[in-house]
Amino acid sequence: GAGVSQSPSNKVTEKGKDVELRCDPISGHTALYWYRQRLGQGLEFLIYFQGNSAPDKSGLPSDRFSAERTGESVSTLTIQRTQQEDSAVYLCASSIGRGPWEFQYFGAGTRLSVL
Amino acid sequence: GQQLNQSPQSMFIQEGEDVSMNCTSSSIFNTWLWYKQDPGEGPVLLIALYKAGELTSNGRLTAQFGITRKDSFLNISASIPSDVGIYFCAGQPLVNFGNEKLTFGTGTRLTIIP
Repeated sequence: GAGVSQSPSNKVTEKGKDVELRCDPISGHTALYWYRQRLGQGLEFLIYFQGNSAPDKSGLPSDRFSAERTGESVSTLTIQRTQQEDSAVYLCASSIGRGPWEFQYFGAGTRLSVL
Repeated sequence: GQQLNQSPQSMFIQEGEDVSMNCTSSSIFNTWLWYKQDPGEGPVLLIALYKAGELTSNGRLTAQFGITRKDSFLNISASIPSDVGIYFCAGQPLVNFGNEKLTFGTGTRLTIIP
């Protein structure tokens, strides 16, 4: 597709359930990022994938959070045993990934509500 | 994780007014970026800055990379209704040189009063 696609756009779940969020990056983009944006807050870095390198997981808030990426395509962010504080918009971005500076293109996000 | 300090947190202005917001950090940055986020959408890149002192314009938007490399500002001239949204600064700290991880600011919410 033309841009970064995320699904679902909205997800309502019960506390304690697992959720899986999906991101389809722009074709050809080797770098992929996940961010969390709580209501009225800025973007909080979660995890970063670059090509076949080991992902930078330094932003994951707990071991309930994990993410995978298949090659240079789709990524899934999984949150296990969801808690109410996990409620936020989860944004995915991708970029060409060359050089220390670059442009990140964002998806519209998945709004997660944990009841 | 680290976040950049943006100010003001929110602005209420009348159409046609000029807007100024800034972003500061305690550490040196290699790159400064400014994004705009509309409701229900992801952020969209507005301006990118790569050198200390650089001043770059994109239409009615002007941004500068501070000389100290620890700050940046964004100006919007003659605001119009479609300027409403949340503006984020983002940057690449010097310590992250060699990877593409960005640090984002806390955002400035711009509202235009009718």
